[in-house]
Amino acid sequence: AQTVTQSQPEMSVQEAETVTLSCTYDTSESNYYLFWYKQPPSRQMILVIRQEAYKQQNATENRFSVNFQKAAKSFSLKISDSQLGDTAMYFCAFMLSGTYKYIFGTGTRLKVLA
Amino acid sequence: GAVVSQHPSWVICKSGTSVKIECRSLDFQATTMFWYRQFPKQSLMLMATSNEGSKATYEQGVEKDKFLINHASLTLSTLTVTSAHPEDSSFYICSARDPTSGIYEQYFGPGTRLTVT
Repeated sequence: AQTVTQSQPEMSVQEAETVTLSCTYDTSESNYYLFWYKQPPSRQMILVIRQEAYKQQNATENRFSVNFQKAAKSFSLKISDSQLGDTAMYFCAFMLSGTYKYIFGTGTRLKVLA
Repeated sequence: GAVVSQHPSWVICKSGTSVKIECRSLDFQATTMFWYRQFPKQSLMLMATSNEGSKATYEQGVEKDKFLINHASLTLSTLTVTSAHPEDSSFYICSARDPTSGIYEQYFGPGTRLTVT
C-alpha cells in the first residue's frame, strides 16, 4: 500500500521569503503522479503543482517549484517570494497511474507573516 | 478550468434523519466522481468512487449502507448519509475527472459541511 508522509504539521515564513515543505512517500510502483494541493480557509482544494514520476525534470509553476527525488521518494515544495495569500493548509498527494485515486498526506499548515 | 459544484454548502440535520449532498460537474461530463471526508484539521480520506451507470466502489471501512452513492448521470453524483449520527458530522468533498481532458488530476468541489445534532 502507498503512504504519504508530511512531517511538518505547521510552518511559518516571513512575507517575501522562501519556504520549503517536505513530503515523502512510499510505493513499490514505478508509474505514478505527485501533487501539491493548497486548501485555504475557504476549504476549496486548489492544485498548486503536479509532477509525473517518469519525468526527471522538476516541475515549476511561477513561484512554486518542487524537488523530486525519485530514489529517495521525496517530493518537497518550495515557495519563493511568499505572499500573505499563500497562507493555507498544503497537502502532498500521490496517485498511482491508472487509478485516479489520491492518497493525501496529513498536511502542513503554512502561515505567511507580514 | 473545469468547475465542480456541491450543494448544499452546509447542512444541519437531526440525529436519525437522512441528508443528501449533490456533486455536479458544470462544464464537462464526468464518468467518475470521488467522495472524500475531512475531519477538522485532518487530511482528506477517500470514501468511495462513484461510477456513472454502475455501483459505487467503497473504500475499506466505509459503510456502504450508511453512505449511499448514486451517479445517475454524467454530471451528477449524490451522497446520502442515512440515519445520520453526530459522529457523521464532517466536511464532505467531491471531485471529478474530465476523461476527455487528457489530464489525470481531478477537479474538486467546494465541499459540504454536515452537522448532525
